[in-house]
Amino acid sequence: GAGVSQSPSNKVTEKGKDVELRCDPISGHTALYWYRQSLGQGLEFLIYFQGNSAPDKSGLPSDRFSAERTGGSVSTLTIQRTQQEDSAVYLCASSGRQGVNGTEAFFGQGTRLTVV
Amino acid sequence: TQLLEQSPQFLSIQEGENLTVYCNSSSVFSSLQWYRQEPGEGPVLLVTVVTGGEVKKLKRLTFQFGDARKDSSLHITAAQPGDTGLYLCAGSNSGTYKYIFGTGTRLKVLA
Repeated sequence: GAGVSQSPSNKVTEKGKDVELRCDPISGHTALYWYRQSLGQGLEFLIYFQGNSAPDKSGLPSDRFSAERTGGSVSTLTIQRTQQEDSAVYLCASSGRQGVNGTEAFFGQGTRLTVV
Repeated sequence: TQLLEQSPQFLSIQEGENLTVYCNSSSVFSSLQWYRQEPGEGPVLLVTVVTGGEVKKLKRLTFQFGDARKDSSLHITAAQPGDTGLYLCAGSNSGTYKYIFGTGTRLKVLA
């Protein structure tokens, strides 16, 4: 597609429920990232994929968080048994092969998750 | 662990003033990016710098990468209300695709 697409744009869920957040990266981009941004704050790294594998899952806050990527394209971030502290904007980004100008990430608009 | 600290954290200035935002780390990065994020949107890339000492200009914005590739600055000349937003620096290293984002600088330019 023309840009990174995330869905849903907004999600309100009850504490204890599971949620799935979806990311469609730019076509052909091999790397995909998930970040979390709390209100007005910087970006907290969660996980990144190179193809379908995740070389770095170090940012996942707990075992309630998991992510997968299939076909080197779409990724899903799943949060089980949501807690109020999970409320944040979840941003997805993708990038292509690192070039002479360095690697550039293109972001989606994010999914705003509110746990009530 | 590589960290990027930005300063100031918040900045509120009048239209027409100049400002500088700093991005500092104790680690070396192979490239560094600056992004601007507006409310309800994802960050949008402004510039990438890859060479120590490199200076890039984007209209009224001037970006500099430190000689040792550990720090960077963003200077805005004659700020406009449209410059308002959250400015984020992000570093990456050759051979990996991982980005480390800075803590962010929230800029508000008053008309």
